[in-house]
Amino acid sequence: QVQLVESGGGVVQPGRSLRLSCAASGFTFSSYAVHWVRQAPGKGLEWVAVISYDGSNKYYADSVKGRFTISRDNSKNTLYLQMNSLRVEDTAVYYCARDPTAIAGPMDVWGHGTTVTVSS
Amino acid sequence: SYELTQPPSVSVSPGQTASITCSGDKLGDKYACWYQQKPGQPPVLVIYQDDKRPSGIPERFSGSSSGNTATLTISGTQAMDEAQYYCQAWASSTVVFGGGTKLTVL
Repeated sequence: QVQLVESGGGVVQPGRSLRLSCAASGFTFSSYAVHWVRQAPGKGLEWVAVISYDGSNKYYADSVKGRFTISRDNSKNTLYLQMNSLRVEDTAVYYCARDPTAIAGPMDVWGHGTTVTVSS
Repeated sequence: SYELTQPPSVSVSPGQTASITCSGDKLGDKYACWYQQKPGQPPVLVIYQDDKRPSGIPERFSGSSSGNTATLTISGTQAMDEAQYYCQAWASSTVVFGGGTKLTVL
């Protein structure tokens, strides 16, 4: 079945780096844009970044621009989020989500998320 | 930056109609979509392109949009519809989510 599975979360100190992965299965990954969306504990959804189906277009939220990098490997059906210079406020559950349009949403399939905790 | 505003909470009696609004500047000129999220679960898309329903979403969920406001309507609300609801749009090369509305069925 159509599935997205995130991994790579954990506890990290402020200023350090972490790379998240999102493995896709059950659909033609290379035909879809994909987003990262995060949710801090007890808070609402916050969009992080999106990458087009072929990786040629990438957009970021201002809160992560210059620190996070979204990328994909269509040969491995995998999406990545490289997170550098992590801050306490980056603590959240990180979801990857499929986008059947170009990059603007909607997001029709979501993973179950991976938890990132930034703490000293 | 673009903002979407939702009421923090809406209450409805079982079997009645619930309406959740989402306001943003000229939102009617953009496509809005809606997500339902229950505790401990990822969001689920319930409405896209203002008024389209994905397969598997019950017919009691509908959407509309005009002017500065998009509206999610749940007709014949059931206890299982109690959840957090988020609107979303694309603006200024970014995805924007509303702050979310807690729907209580009581």
